[in-house]
Amino acid sequence: AQTVTQSQPEMSVQEAETVTLSCTYDTSESDYYLFWYKQPPSRQMILVIRQEAYKQQNATENRFSVNFQKAAKSFSLKISDSQLGDAAMYFCATITDNYGQNFVFGPGTRLSVLP
Amino acid sequence: GAVVSQHPSRVICKSGTSVKIECRSLDFQATTMFWYRQFPKQSLMLMATSNEGSKATYEQGVEKDKFLINHASLTLSTLTVTSAHPEDSSFYICSARGARGQGNQPQHFGDGTRLSIL
Repeated sequence: AQTVTQSQPEMSVQEAETVTLSCTYDTSESDYYLFWYKQPPSRQMILVIRQEAYKQQNATENRFSVNFQKAAKSFSLKISDSQLGDAAMYFCATITDNYGQNFVFGPGTRLSVLP
Repeated sequence: GAVVSQHPSRVICKSGTSVKIECRSLDFQATTMFWYRQFPKQSLMLMATSNEGSKATYEQGVEKDKFLINHASLTLSTLTVTSAHPEDSSFYICSARGARGQGNQPQHFGDGTRLSIL
């Protein structure tokens, strides 16, 4: 079974500053994928970034980047130049490469951005 | 990009009513869809996996007679909350995954349904 842990229930960051959200996971699978999803107050699930476990290079999407440490089973999200619109719940998730498998989500981190 | 449409977005009804929520994949065939439930300030909890043309697979603790799932076509899954009671009030989100072999494609989420039972 897969599990995902996010040890920071809440985080805050000053606008324009950088913040890192932590995520650790456990899986016995060799092929899997990792994701960060953002859920604003509208409760839409918005994909922020994804990482294939077989890739060593950390994924980057504009102001968002990850630090993927496969051996440590760690997958942290760094948000640079934080904006007010980044305020949301952030969920770390993993999914195996087996078709039909569902996402396993972490408990979430609520990020506040202070003006 | 792929879009999943979920309707209705908001339901308020009396206790004892049955409520149907639809999840449609608009531009791809979704042989598997997932139904999640989210309580306030909590994460998404998988309720069941809906497979086109076969019975849904329910997670432990989810009453299959309470939450009826039908996946009659490759683009539509429905969740019916039967005889809903206030404790069924929650946010329900569906997601769909594309064809086999697209393991690195993320699931596409609907916008969710906020269900309130009075």
